[in-house]
Amino acid sequence: LAKTTQPISMDSYEGQEVNITCSHNNIATNDYITWYQQFPSQGPRFIIQGYKTKVTNEVASLFIPADRKSSTLSLPRVSLSDTAVYYCLVGAGRTGGFKTIFGAGTRLFVKA
Amino acid sequence: KAGVTQTPRYLIKTRGQQVTLSCSPISGHRSVSWYQQTPGQGLQFLFEYFSETQRNKGNFPGRFSGRQFSNSRSEMNVSTLELGDSALYLCASSADGSSGNTIYFGEGSWLTVV
Repeated sequence: LAKTTQPISMDSYEGQEVNITCSHNNIATNDYITWYQQFPSQGPRFIIQGYKTKVTNEVASLFIPADRKSSTLSLPRVSLSDTAVYYCLVGAGRTGGFKTIFGAGTRLFVKA
Repeated sequence: KAGVTQTPRYLIKTRGQQVTLSCSPISGHRSVSWYQQTPGQGLQFLFEYFSETQRNKGNFPGRFSGRQFSNSRSEMNVSTLELGDSALYLCASSADGSSGNTIYFGEGSWLTVV
């Protein structure tokens, strides 16, 4: 399973765009990349998932370069409520089920 | 449709006791997995069930066990509780656990062992 590496923490201000990059050098051909947001004492919440190039939904964009060895979660115009831990997960789903490995996540602090 | 539902949300147990946590997956999802989250170790995979069979297992002692029922609902059990078992236990479900499936998490069960 691909190990992921993310920055431990990031600071931002309200209204700014935040980009969080995740490295996954040994991603497998069939692996998808999924990002989650987690608030204290709550379960991780699905943000976005992609396989290659760019994916966009109502809350975020996900950029994946051609070699797929990294991915960048982009949060436009963050607010204080976006302060949370963000996890990048690679290869959760496989033939024969999954055995997920979460990294340490990135703690995002959004300041007023 | 309803998300992943976990019960109970909070519980306190004494060392040596056992505990059973319950999880109802999203309707139609057949793969259920369990995770332990602690401040020191982060999110760790416990096991995954599909069609009532344990398909994958993480690196936890045999005191941690689980099962899945024919309606895909799942339970996990921890026997002979230790103080270090205090954690947030998360259940997640996906359609069938294959590539491209999205995993959706419940809100978790907070277990405190005293």
